[in-house]
Amino acid sequence: GESVGLHLPTLSVQEGDNSIINCAYSNSASDYFIWYKQESGKGPQFIIDIRSNMDKRQGQRVTVLLNKTVKHLSLQIAATQPGDSAVYFCAENIAIYNFNKFYFGSGTKLNVKP
Amino acid sequence: DAGVTQSPTHLIKTRGQQVTLRCSPKSGHDTVSWYQQALGQGPQFIFQYYEEEERQRGNFPDRFSGHQFPNYSSELNVNALLLGDSALYLCASSLDWRLRGANVLTFGAGSRLTVL
Repeated sequence: GESVGLHLPTLSVQEGDNSIINCAYSNSASDYFIWYKQESGKGPQFIIDIRSNMDKRQGQRVTVLLNKTVKHLSLQIAATQPGDSAVYFCAENIAIYNFNKFYFGSGTKLNVKP
Repeated sequence: DAGVTQSPTHLIKTRGQQVTLRCSPKSGHDTVSWYQQALGQGPQFIFQYYEEEERQRGNFPDRFSGHQFPNYSSELNVNALLLGDSALYLCASSLDWRLRGANVLTFGAGSRLTVL
């Protein structure tokens, strides 16, 4: 499969600070990306998505940035809260396969210190 | 909306046994994908079902099989269980990509399988 990797396996931040989680992907044909949050004992939960025709998308307290030149994706969380503690995955969909099949990275664990 | 529901939530099997996991997709979704998530890893694609047929398969042996029913619910079957099959099995539903292009997967909470 394609390689979707994360630069930092664990990230610790202070409550109230901003968090940045990074992700590298290897296939330039990837056309759609999703960030998921997974809390212990639960399935992945959708956070935000972005298509390859965009380079930035904002949600509530979250922003995703896409740099297609270097095949890099990042998730920014503003004013990080204890409830943000979880494992975060980026997932990519590759258009040439023409169906909704995603490749996931190995995840980054976010620890929010009170 | 109940979202994606999976059963059972936890189960323990021994090597060589067979297991069946079940999934009901989110209301309005017609496509079901199954993923295997080993401890500390991201989900790995097993296969996807649409219109009661397997549409695409990941790098998993034939011991892994599935089925989709007319009401879009799905089953994952694993035969001749190995210790390495111990994992969280996730079901995800979505809309057919031909209608919307690539779109969000909605995941269930998973079935935790332990093989002894």
